[in-house]
Amino acid sequence: QVQLQESGPGLVKPSGTLSLTCAVSGGSFISSNWWSWVRQPPGKGLEWIGEIYYTGTTNYNPSLKTRVTISADKSRNQFSMNLYGVTAADTAVYYCARRGPYFDFWGQGTLVTVSS
Amino acid sequence: EIVLTQSPATLSLSPGERATLSCRASQSVSTYLAWYQQKPGQAPRLLIDDASNRATGIPARFSGSGSGTDFTLTISSLEPEDFAVYYCQQRSDWPPYTFGQGTKLEIK
Repeated sequence: QVQLQESGPGLVKPSGTLSLTCAVSGGSFISSNWWSWVRQPPGKGLEWIGEIYYTGTTNYNPSLKTRVTISADKSRNQFSMNLYGVTAADTAVYYCARRGPYFDFWGQGTLVTVSS
Repeated sequence: EIVLTQSPATLSLSPGERATLSCRASQSVSTYLAWYQQKPGQAPRLLIDDASNRATGIPARFSGSGSGTDFTLTISSLEPEDFAVYYCQQRSDWPPYTFGQGTKLEIK
């Protein structure tokens, strides 16, 4: 059973960088799946941020493309996200998830608050 | 970007009743649509993929139908654990993959 676990700071200052890592266990990171980030502002719906394939190929949501970078460390079975220039609107629960072809395994999510 | 509109926003039913949730796409997504269930404090769970295929371990009371722009998730007889928020999601035209705004299924 694939398991995903997000980690990173729970509080980020405005204009700073939100950095999260997702550790993958119970399955191979090197597979025919994509590894995604999805976020959910408090009380609101789901927004796909972007994804990475084990080869390093990435896809991003056009609405966030200029502010986000997703990278992977195959040797450690993990992938990461950096979101730059954050504002209060980026406050959300951030999930990592496996997509293949739909989002079939998810981390438990981590709340990141943007505040000074 | 494909916009998915779910209706109703809130559905109030009793255990044992039948639930019908709708998802309408702003343009055709063929059958490239999934349904997820999300309970408070939990990650979403994949229920249905490609419009009508139950995901692994999903009870038979959950069924999906539709193609093109109109889709339905049906729960044939509600169990207490089915009261949650449900989202649809398309993978037909991306980026981005998009989700509906959700339907909250609450106990009447």
